[in-house]
Formats: sequence, structure tokens, C-alpha cells
Amino acid sequence: GNSVTQMEGPVTLSEEAFLTINCTYTATGYPSLFWYVQYPGEGLQLLLKATKADDKGSNKGFEATYRKETTSFHLEKGSVQVSDSAVYFCALMGSNYKLTFGKGTLLTVNP
Amino acid sequence: KAGVTQTPRYLIKTRGQQVTLSCSPISGHRSVSWYQQTPGQGLQFLFEYFSETQRNKGNFPGRFSGRQFSNSRSEMNVSTLELGDSALYLCASRISQGNQETQYFGPGTRLLVL
Repeated sequence: GNSVTQMEGPVTLSEEAFLTINCTYTATGYPSLFWYVQYPGEGLQLLLKATKADDKGSNKGFEATYRKETTSFHLEKGSVQVSDSAVYFCALMGSNYKLTFGKGTLLTVNP
Repeated sequence: KAGVTQTPRYLIKTRGQQVTLSCSPISGHRSVSWYQQTPGQGLQFLFEYFSETQRNKGNFPGRFSGRQFSNSRSEMNVSTLELGDSALYLCASRISQGNQETQYFGPGTRLLVL
């Protein structure tokens, strides 16, 4: 079956530091890949997505590139802000439109 | 355009009771999926409804059920509640046209079973 593995947290950074959260997946076929973010007490917000190999998703300074050869979709941001503190989930959607999530990575950004 | 709405936002029940949660999708979205989020198991898929029909089902016992109405609104029901059913239940909607496959989530219903 499909699965997603993302780096265990928590991750603690200082403001303006570089962020990388690793995500790798196992899937049959050609899944779409997503990053969602969850702020305390809220639901999931779509951060970015990529639907085919070599696509780059980007939003609010975050980027991730769909790498089929390494089955990865790592999330990066060049300069994090305190407001980026949240839990980040990597997910894939296969042909049955069901989302499979990683376990989430808690990011804390200190001023 | 209004987002996905879920009611109620918080719920406290006791073991053995049943509960019904409601989800209104984004206008024009025809597919509704439900997910359970717990600290131990993370985010797990419950089921998906499209045009009032269940299309996919996750690995949950039959106590978990759902339905979808003609206006695409969906409800999920959990009968004979157990302590382990305490979780955040998230609903997501999708337009379900061609490659418009992004799921948009509501704020969730937090269920506490005592």
C-alpha cells in the first residue's frame, strides 16, 4: 500500500533560518503530493502541491519538488518566521483519491 | 467562497453513546472525505462520499458510518462510543472534476469520549 515517511520532529529554529523537512513516499502509479500545515486548534490548510514528476509546488516562500527518482518531496523555506510555527504534514493521493499522510513534523520558530 | 464547515466544533460524550457529526463542503464540491486524527495513529482515512454513494472506505469498524445528501452535505455517525474514539474528526471536500483533486479541509470536530 501507499505510505509516507517524514522526518520526526520537533524541529526548532531561529527566525530567518533555513528550513528543510524531509518527506519520502512509497506508492504505486503516479500519485499527487501535498504539504499541509496545521496551526494549533485548527484543521489542515493546503500549503502546496505537485501533481507530476519534476513539478515544483510553492506558496508563501515554501517550496517542494516532486522527485520521482528518489520518491521524495522535501519541504524547504529560505527564511522562516515565528508565524511559520505549526505542524507540517506530507501527504500523497493515489488513484483512489484517498490521502495518505506522514506523521507530521512540529516546527517551532523562535524570535 | 465559504470554506468547509463542520458542526459541532466540540463534543463530549460518554462510552456507549452515539454521535453524529456534520460537514458542509465548499459550494460546488461533490466529494466529501472524512479523516480521524489522534496523537497515536496520526491522520487516518475513514471514508469518501460522492453523489450520495460511498466510494472508498478505510480500515475502521462498522461502528463508523456516514452518508451524503443530495446537496453534498455529509454526516458521519459513530455508534457505541469507545474511549479510543476520542479524536479530531476532519472533513475534506474536493471538486472531483478531472484533475481538480485537491482536498480542502474544515476546522474539525473535536470529540472527547469519557
